[in-house]
Amino acid sequence: DADVTQTPRNRITKTGKRIMLECSQTKGHDRMYWYRQDPGLGLRLIYYSFDVKDINKGEISDGYSVSRQAQAKFSLSLESAIPNQTALYFCATSDSSRDGKETQYFGPGTRLLVL
Amino acid sequence: AQSVTQPDIHITVSEGASLELRCNYSYGATPYLFWYVQSPGQGLQLLLKYFSGDTLVQGIKGFEAEFKRSQSSFNLRKPSVHWSDAAEYFCAVGARGAQKLVFGQGTRLTINP
Repeated sequence: DADVTQTPRNRITKTGKRIMLECSQTKGHDRMYWYRQDPGLGLRLIYYSFDVKDINKGEISDGYSVSRQAQAKFSLSLESAIPNQTALYFCATSDSSRDGKETQYFGPGTRLLVL
Repeated sequence: AQSVTQPDIHITVSEGASLELRCNYSYGATPYLFWYVQSPGQGLQLLLKYFSGDTLVQGIKGFEAEFKRSQSSFNLRKPSVHWSDAAEYFCAVGARGAQKLVFGQGTRLTINP
């Protein structure tokens, strides 16, 4: 979905390096999410943000940090990359609603390889 | 805590045949249920969703799914598959607000010509 963009789309890095993955959205949604996908494990939630000042840890936040620079931008950082962080990373957005019936929309993903 | 099981890791069907992908969930309250599709090299695209009401929901690309509370299931169906349906399919369950979607392991669909 072109409304949610992720950069870079592919990245190769070395163990110990700091790396940042970026997500931008033009959908006007207030909520943003970072997931990682590993074969056979589906998607697992790393961090989520309900607005610029509200950031929460997900299921697997260890080794990651995030920054919500603006409503439209949500970055994921690996402070010191390790090989088991090799995965496909997805950003998603949703619009909060009073009835709680929200749908998450996903970006195209960033494929990260840590050597 | 929520959980989702997709019992079939890989399914192969012939083009034109019918398809059913299974999804079982565990959740203490009324779940919100989703099916997403991931085509090779692509992101996740929403196929359909269930929040409440009619338990048979229609989605894009000719897919439908039926919510069966008694069986804790939300199976995805298509009457006649096309070669372009080859992809990985994910079932997900969320609570009110959907801020914590839990995904199944995914089912990879291969289409034989």
